[in-house]
Amino acid sequence: IQLTQSPSSLSASVGDRVTITCRASQGISSYLAWYQQKPGKAPKLLIYAASTLQSDVPSRFSGSGSGTDFTLAISSLQPEDFATYYCQQHNTYPLTFGGGTKVEIK
Amino acid sequence: EVQLVESGGGFVQPGGSLRLSCAASGFTLSDYYMDWVRQAPGKGLEWVGRIRNKARGYTTEYAASVRGRFIVSGIDSKNSLYLQMNSLETEDTAVYYCARVIDGTTWVDDAFDIWGQGTMVTVSS
Repeated sequence: IQLTQSPSSLSASVGDRVTITCRASQGISSYLAWYQQKPGKAPKLLIYAASTLQSDVPSRFSGSGSGTDFTLAISSLQPEDFATYYCQQHNTYPLTFGGGTKVEIK
Repeated sequence: EVQLVESGGGFVQPGGSLRLSCAASGFTLSDYYMDWVRQAPGKGLEWVGRIRNKARGYTTEYAASVRGRFIVSGIDSKNSLYLQMNSLETEDTAVYYCARVIDGTTWVDDAFDIWGQGTMVTVSS
């Protein structure tokens, strides 16, 4: 299953609402996760099962979608949110990741 | 504290072998599904393979790109798991992460909640 993220990069300001989309090449029910990765660090789980917020993740992050189209939203971008975000399907083997979306400071 | 620490990375020539280790603390590895994920320099994330927990007989799954060359071996008394990498290719150059699955027995919870810091593998002549 191929996952296509868009955009591949975006520039935004602190306080902006940001949305990132992930499209699957076939239906994956609600089995999609989102990760945040900062340079030189391991990825961090934000959301799984499309909309379940991982513990200790701020509520400004939210996920939605099912089937083939999914969205990660950040309601009010904070300085610590500038990073690369990846989606990952956990519906079938082989597990696959999207190509990533880099969120940069405008 | 729940933690994973990888080790064993390094420089190896094409065709060579390397074994990575992933040591867990704060939880019992044998209770969880555990995966390896890699990231080539400047690239995205790629799933490598999985070992299921003791209750599921430590069975494994692999990405097509490594099947037949890599082996995720069983979890031992050191609370560690291993990735044996054989017939290495330049395309295997990457940071290798081990990651814990929340609950691999159901697809709903099949996401990676704990990651190690990663270990770099460089394959070059």
